[in-house]
Amino acid sequence: DAGVIQSPRHEVTEMGQEVTLRCKPISGHNSLFWYRQTMMRGLELLIYFNNNVPIDDSGMPEDRFSAKMPNASFSTLKIQPSEPRDSAVYFCASSFLAGDPNNEQFFGPGTRLTVL
Amino acid sequence: AQSVTQLDSHVSVSEGTPVLLRCNYSSSYSPSLFWYVQHPNKGLQLLLKYTSAATLVKGINGFEAEFKKSETSFHLTKPSAHMSDAAEYFCVVSDVRATDSWGKFQFGAGTQVVVTP
Repeated sequence: DAGVIQSPRHEVTEMGQEVTLRCKPISGHNSLFWYRQTMMRGLELLIYFNNNVPIDDSGMPEDRFSAKMPNASFSTLKIQPSEPRDSAVYFCASSFLAGDPNNEQFFGPGTRLTVL
Repeated sequence: AQSVTQLDSHVSVSEGTPVLLRCNYSSSYSPSLFWYVQHPNKGLQLLLKYTSAATLVKGINGFEAEFKKSETSFHLTKPSAHMSDAAEYFCVVSDVRATDSWGKFQFGAGTQVVVTP
């Protein structure tokens, strides 16, 4: 298996622009997670899905952020409009169904976002 | 509620000497515990996990960790450090019975490991 795939790997954009990050989870996994990593705040869970349904989006910073999972093999995280403080590395992770204590999460390589 | 504390933000070791990364957790139930490693500009990779089976858990690359319920600890060790072990290490707690965090991972702040020749 190719693992969790994220695109793009790097994104540089200007403040106010829309940014879309993409994730393809490992085939067969039921749960998908979006994280943000910064020096100041470490790793933060933004949102997670079970069977394509958003379960907990309490970590989404504000209405500028939205996430979708239209099918089991694809998810997007969108920021509109983007701001410099959104600059971070965004990770997608997948696992078999969240809630089983044996299920570790598998992480993608991340998307490094820079908002100028 | 669940939480995890990594007691050292930075650890420096010489190549060939033992590595100890300390992690304490808080959980109202019986948690699952994980150690992940992140090399520079890479994603996180699972080193090992504890899920209520054997308390001494062996992982990849010669790492192991011991779950001690009485001390609420899950320290990571390796007998002999290699240059390739230089990375950031995260301790993670997850408790599926915690209603406020069901199935979610709680990450520690991370420990940066430097290996000197």
